[in-house]
Amino acid sequence: GAVVSQHPSWVICKSGTSVKIECRSLDFQATTMFWYRQFPKQSLMLMATSNEGSKATYEQGVEKDKFLINHASLTLSTLTVTSAHPEDSSFYICSARLLGWVGVLQETQYFGPGTRLLVL
Amino acid sequence: GNSVTQMEGPVTLSEEAFLTINCTYTATGYPSLFWYVQYPGEGLQLLLKATKADDKGSNKGFEATYRKETTSFHLEKGSVQVSDSAVYFCALSKEPTNSGYALNFGKGTSLLVTP
Repeated sequence: GAVVSQHPSWVICKSGTSVKIECRSLDFQATTMFWYRQFPKQSLMLMATSNEGSKATYEQGVEKDKFLINHASLTLSTLTVTSAHPEDSSFYICSARLLGWVGVLQETQYFGPGTRLLVL
Repeated sequence: GNSVTQMEGPVTLSEEAFLTINCTYTATGYPSLFWYVQYPGEGLQLLLKATKADDKGSNKGFEATYRKETTSFHLEKGSVQVSDSAVYFCALSKEPTNSGYALNFGKGTSLLVTP
C-alpha cells in the first residue's frame, strides 16, 4: 500500500525557535497533502491543505505566518512552526491524497506516523 | 458543515466479545465515511470506508454500513482479539474543494481487549 513518512518523529525545542517537519509520499505522487494537529485525547483537527506549486489553504483560526507550509514537489510538503511556544506542543500529522481509477475516480488519504513536538 | 460524533471510550472487552462503536454524522450533500485505527505508537491507518448510502465497508473482520436514514456508520466486529486494542476514529469527508476533500474526525474511541 501507499506509504507516507514524516520526519522527525519527535522533536524538543526551546521557545522562540523554529521547527520544520517533513511529510513525504514514498511511492506515489501527491498533488495535495493535508496537515492535521492532534491534542492529547482529542481528535485530529485540520490545519491546512497543501497544494503542490501553490499557496496552502488554511483553516479558520490557523495562523498562516506561524505555520508555514511549502509543497515544493509532488512527494514533499513541509510544515514550519515559526517562533514556537509551549502552546504549540502537539502531535502533527500529515496525509497525502492518492487518486486512483477503479472504474470510477477514487481518492484515498494515507497518513504519516506523526511528529510529536514539545516546546520548552 | 460536516461533522461526526462517536461514542466516548474507553471501551474494555474480553477477547472474543462482540464490538460496537457508534458513530453518527451530520452532513450536507453525500459525504464518504471512514473508520481509521491508530495502534499504540503508530499513525492512522484506514480500516474501512463507504462512499454512498447502504454501502458496507469491511476489513479484518470489522464492518460498518453507511445508513443515510439514521445518519450512522457504526463499527462492528463479531469477535475481538487482543491485537485489536487501539484507538478508532470515525471520519467523514469535508465539503469537496478543488483539492479534493480533507476529513472531519470524531474524538476517537479507545478500545482495550483483555485476554
